[in-house]
Amino acid sequence: DARVTQTPRHKVTEMGQEVTMRCQPILGHNTVFWYRQTMMQGLELLAYFRNRAPLDDSGMPKDRFSAEMPDATLATLKIQPSEPRDSAVYFCASGRTGGNSPLHFGNGTRLTVT
Amino acid sequence: DQQVKQNSPSLSVQEGRISILNCDYTNSMFDYFLWYKKYPAEGPTFLISISSIKDKNEDGRFTVFLNKSAKHLSLHIVPSQPGDSAVYFCAARVNNNDMRFGAGTRLTVKP
Repeated sequence: DARVTQTPRHKVTEMGQEVTMRCQPILGHNTVFWYRQTMMQGLELLAYFRNRAPLDDSGMPKDRFSAEMPDATLATLKIQPSEPRDSAVYFCASGRTGGNSPLHFGNGTRLTVT
Repeated sequence: DQQVKQNSPSLSVQEGRISILNCDYTNSMFDYFLWYKKYPAEGPTFLISISSIKDKNEDGRFTVFLNKSAKHLSLHIVPSQPGDSAVYFCAARVNNNDMRFGAGTRLTVKP
């Protein structure tokens, strides 16, 4: 049963430090999404890629967040410098274009910035 | 800009009864709608979907209804079971592009 893999599962860091979250999409999927779960807004879209090209990252604070796909098997989300308000659970999801098909989610990275 | 809205943060029902979760959207270009279920410490998992050309899709105990004129969809679970207790997210997509989610509704099914 193919899964989206996210590492680390938990990350505690101090304000000002760099944080890197990683995602391995399901083999054969050509879209990758990053979401942040907050109490008020639910699942907030940060960025998404199709065929490794960034299509939309308007949901990300550009001054501190960056998302990349170095290759088809790895997507990264970086925060530099991190702030306490970035504390949340970050989810990666992957899917296929063409036809109606759902996204498949990883189990998330719980980030705590102190 | 919250294009997908779930106005009820929580819902509690008795085991065996019907659970109805509601979702409203503002973007008339959405053409594909989905419901996801999320347990604590796990990622959301796909539950059921509906294309904008349909008004109903059924899968076992789960049925999704779409009312395009009202920009409203709902998820019916019948009969509800304690294992259905989770957070349910409504999602919508335009033309195979980004998928937008609501804030979620926490369903509690009491034995």
